[in-house]
Amino acid sequence: GQQVMQIPQYQHVQEGEDFTTYCNSSTTLSNIQWYKQRPGGHPVFLIQLVKSGEVKKQKRLTFQFGEAKKNSSLHITATQTTDVGTYFCAGARLNDYKLSFGAGTTVTVRA
Amino acid sequence: NAGVTQTPKFRVLKTGQSMTLLCAQDMNHEYMYWYRQDPGMGLRLIHYSVGEGTTAKGEVPDGYNVSRLKKQNFLLGLESAAPSQTSVYFCASTNRETQYFGPGTRLLVL
Repeated sequence: GQQVMQIPQYQHVQEGEDFTTYCNSSTTLSNIQWYKQRPGGHPVFLIQLVKSGEVKKQKRLTFQFGEAKKNSSLHITATQTTDVGTYFCAGARLNDYKLSFGAGTTVTVRA
Repeated sequence: NAGVTQTPKFRVLKTGQSMTLLCAQDMNHEYMYWYRQDPGMGLRLIHYSVGEGTTAKGEVPDGYNVSRLKKQNFLLGLESAAPSQTSVYFCASTNRETQYFGPGTRLLVL
């Protein structure tokens, strides 16, 4: 079955630094979504990427979908304490209404 | 507009007991999902539904049953709880794009 791998599992970042989390699928995806879960909370939708090579930005967050539609990345610049949480990628195959979630990258920030 | 709600928020069960988790959404979504979340394993799909009266197995369906008698409700049942079912359970519904998650149910099976 479809597997979505996400690395790193943990990311400890100094406030103000940048970091990137990566997501790789064993199969070609129709789209990929990113979610953020704050400690003790529930996953909240951030963005969806559909097109090959697509790049989208949300303030300090940059999301990218690979040319082969099998990988994606989330890059955060100038990390702030509000960025703390776990970031999940989730991939869907064509005509499949299920999402396969990666294990997540848990981000902690040193002030 | 409450979005997705889940009851109960927290429950402790003894091994062998049964319980039902309720998920309700007021967004008129066709698709609903039940996930479990365990440390280091992300979200794993238990069962899902693509419409009223339909259900299908996900990645980890064993030990669980579901029902979707009404479009707005999706019930998850544990007939005989086991310690391995200790987890946080999330329900989600979707408009085919964004998945909206409920606040979760923390279940402890002793």
